[in-house]
Amino acid sequence: EIVLTQSPATLSLSPGERATLSCRASQSVSSYLAWYQQKPGQAPRLLIYDASNRATGIPARFSGSGSGTDFTLTISSLEPEDFAVYYCQQRSNWPKMYTFGQGTKLEIK
Amino acid sequence: QVTLRESGPALVKPTQTLTLTCTFSGFSLSTSGMCVSWVRQPPGKALEWLALIDWDDDKYYSTSLKTRLTISKDTSKNQVVLTMTNMDPVDTATYYCARNFPVLDMDVWGKGTTVTVSS
Repeated sequence: EIVLTQSPATLSLSPGERATLSCRASQSVSSYLAWYQQKPGQAPRLLIYDASNRATGIPARFSGSGSGTDFTLTISSLEPEDFAVYYCQQRSNWPKMYTFGQGTKLEIK
Repeated sequence: QVTLRESGPALVKPTQTLTLTCTFSGFSLSTSGMCVSWVRQPPGKALEWLALIDWDDDKYYSTSLKTRLTISKDTSKNQVVLTMTNMDPVDTATYYCARNFPVLDMDVWGKGTTVTVSS
């Protein structure tokens, strides 16, 4: 089973700064990597799918990159509402299966 | 507007079977390519994918939990049901259902339902 390792576990930044979150897979997942944002008490929200495609309604300050085993979520200029926990998730298309990383908490410095 | 809502018991006893229902609107599970997943999250911990059912009634399960899970759908009622047998306190979590469409990732989620396993 593929394991996703996210780093760092916690990232402390200020509004306006650039955030770079990492997700590493234990074996290649091609480009089948998604990113979700979760705020306290809320369900996750899909941000990025297939490594680099923004989901509907997601602001342009969110971008994803990578392929194979190394992926990055970048938030170009942090807004106050961006402080949350971020999860990466990989999928296999056959059979359909999904694995999540352990999450990165983005907190206000 | 696409919405999903989870329902089920808030409290179950150890060894019991949990039955959760996902009632959705704004899409049909008979549409080609449509899928619905269940995901859970223990308090303070990460997300864990449990199961998926697709428009063709194919079913997929987490490797670690497949012996305990059954997913089914009732297209006419717009519902997906998940059962989990032999519940244990470690199964205490918020359980979410989510749509997987048009991409295979989870694009719309329900608000979740909290299940506590305790005697």
